Amino acid sequence: AQSVAQPEDQVNVAEGNPLTVKCTYSVSGNPYLFWYVQYPNRGLQFLLKYITGDNLVKGSYGFEAEFNKSQTSFHLKKPSALVSDSALYFCAVRDMNGNNRLAFGKGNQVVVIP
Amino acid sequence: GAVVSQHPSWVICKSGTSVKIECRSLDFQATTMFWYRQFPKQSLMLMATSNEGSKATYEQGVEKDKFLINHASLTLSTLTVTSAHPEDSSFYICSARVGGLAYNEQFFGPGTRLTVL
Repeated sequence: AQSVAQPEDQVNVAEGNPLTVKCTYSVSGNPYLFWYVQYPNRGLQFLLKYITGDNLVKGSYGFEAEFNKSQTSFHLKKPSALVSDSALYFCAVRDMNGNNRLAFGKGNQVVVIP
Repeated sequence: GAVVSQHPSWVICKSGTSVKIECRSLDFQATTMFWYRQFPKQSLMLMATSNEGSKATYEQGVEKDKFLINHASLTLSTLTVTSAHPEDSSFYICSARVGGLAYNEQFFGPGTRLTVL
């Protein structure tokens, strides 16, 4: 079954500095990869996805993610973090050949310090 | 973009009562809807997958008689927590997938906070 690892519990970054949220995945076939963001007491908002093609995917709010097949990673990045980016970020993977379920990582709390 | 709504956004009920949560896709037809449960500071746990017009598929360990799911139309799915108990208190989130393809993203509702006294 597919799975996602988000190794860090919390990511602290100063406002204006680059932000990286790490994600590695495990699937039996080719992956479909997603990033979502969750604000307190709210549902998840879609940020971006990788299906195929260019390894660098650009998404909402200035976020981007790079698919690295050899490292089975899909790290989320933003060149310059804003205080409003403080939220919970989830990486998710769906196995193209698998059971069609979306498997989520445990989430990373991002804190952007003014 | 695709919008998914949930109602109510929060509910407090007494132990033993049943609670119904509605999930609607507002601007698209959702063949497949998903119900998740989220505990504080934890990830989403998939409870069940429902396809319009058919019975929901429950994940292992989820009691289908306790968590009744109905997906009667392409825009509405409901989750009924029957005979709720305090341990059922949680944040319930529904999700709908645009189209039937595996690479289509899922759009999530804002969630429903259930507190059982």
